[in-house]
Amino acid sequence: QKEVEQDPGPLSVPEGAIVSLNCTYSNSAFQYFMWYRQYSRKGPELLMYTYSSGNKEDGRFTAQVDKSSKYISLFIRDSQPSDSATYLCAMRSNAGGTSYGKLTFGQGTILTVHP
Amino acid sequence: IAGITQAPTSQILAAGRRMTLRCTQDMRHNAMYWYRQDLGLGLRLIHYSNTAGTTGKGEVPDGYSVSRANTDDFPLTLASAVPSQTSVYFCASSARGGDNEQFFGPGTRLTVL
Repeated sequence: QKEVEQDPGPLSVPEGAIVSLNCTYSNSAFQYFMWYRQYSRKGPELLMYTYSSGNKEDGRFTAQVDKSSKYISLFIRDSQPSDSATYLCAMRSNAGGTSYGKLTFGQGTILTVHP
Repeated sequence: IAGITQAPTSQILAAGRRMTLRCTQDMRHNAMYWYRQDLGLGLRLIHYSNTAGTTGKGEVPDGYSVSRANTDDFPLTLASAVPSQTSVYFCASSARGGDNEQFFGPGTRLTVL
């Protein structure tokens, strides 16, 4: 079983829809939770990150972390065609040694928002 | 424009050949990383370096080697390429080894025949 599981989709929604993207994880040591966005034939770029449990909002994007369920979500409100991309969740712990600073990524979800 | 450059953009390589993927950053970041991205498997860490002169193994290091002679460059070498190394390779950097934000290059598409 992979440490981080993410439904690869693909997910296709109409413009204006609310999108929900999710990841589950098994490593209880993960403390930092990130969402990266990757446009076609580009490298990923950081969209949002949260520390431990709770919600974080940035414009149309909301990240949620539920550590008790080992489950994180990214919500996109009023989705736009420009949101079409692959969304990757990523996580890391505070551990030192060989785990220091390493991000563990989910498989990525391909999202298409059609006009 | 500050960022990460990778070369080549794409490459087709015969199995058994040696290949070095180049990565250069101009942000003076201490930490650098190499990932491979495969459909259904996401990004997997190959090797990393938290500072010039040091390197470490990631999740899938076999068949790859790296060096970090200076802050800016972090080449990835495939000593004897095999078809299973067909992938998209991304180089990334972060200011420090524990940072949440990693900055990614545009990637190198490698096909090993």
